[in-house]
Amino acid sequence: ELKVEQNPLFLSMQEGKNYTIYCNYSTTSDRLYWYRQDPGKSLESLFVLLSNGAVKQEGRLMASLDTKARLSTLHITAAVHDLSATYFCAVEETSGSRLTFGEGTQLTVNP
Amino acid sequence: NAGVTQTPKFRVLKTGQSMTLLCAQDMNHEYMYWYRQDPGMGLRLIHYSVGEGTTAKGEVPDGYNVSRLKKQNFLLGLESAAPSQTSVYFCASSYPPTGWTEAFFGQGTRLTVV
Repeated sequence: ELKVEQNPLFLSMQEGKNYTIYCNYSTTSDRLYWYRQDPGKSLESLFVLLSNGAVKQEGRLMASLDTKARLSTLHITAAVHDLSATYFCAVEETSGSRLTFGEGTQLTVNP
Repeated sequence: NAGVTQTPKFRVLKTGQSMTLLCAQDMNHEYMYWYRQDPGMGLRLIHYSVGEGTTAKGEVPDGYNVSRLKKQNFLLGLESAAPSQTSVYFCASSYPPTGWTEAFFGQGTRLTVV
């Protein structure tokens, strides 16, 4: 059974600081996704990582995937308040039909 | 507008009542899914379907039933609601050749069982 773990689960940071969210998973997969969720809203796709060594960047967020270590990171650079949200990683099973989510990281960026 | 539509968006049920949540997609996607979201637990898969007339159990199927009589609709039923089923329910659909790279989520249904 595929397990996906994120840490930290809660992150409070100051504007302008950098930080990294980690996502570990338990079985072989080379497809990993990052989503953002604002309170009361649905999930918004941020990044799709489809191979070992994949790196994607959008604004102050950068995601990477190491399939050998079964680890993905979401790096936040010079955080701003608008990044406050819950971030989920999710791993697609090799069969391609199921997506397993991490617990989510609730990020709060303080002025 | 193309996408995934969930009905209803909010509902309050009494323990023991039944209800059906409807998920409709207009993108001709083969795969459809029902997830529930609880604080601190991410999204957990309840049931899914890989095509019209097919359904399969996910991680937390107990207390729920599903049907996929039409390709565009995926129904989630609660026969006898329990307070433990208080949650936010999300439906999603995806297209097999591209998997979750082109998947869509509905807006969610907030269900409270009292």
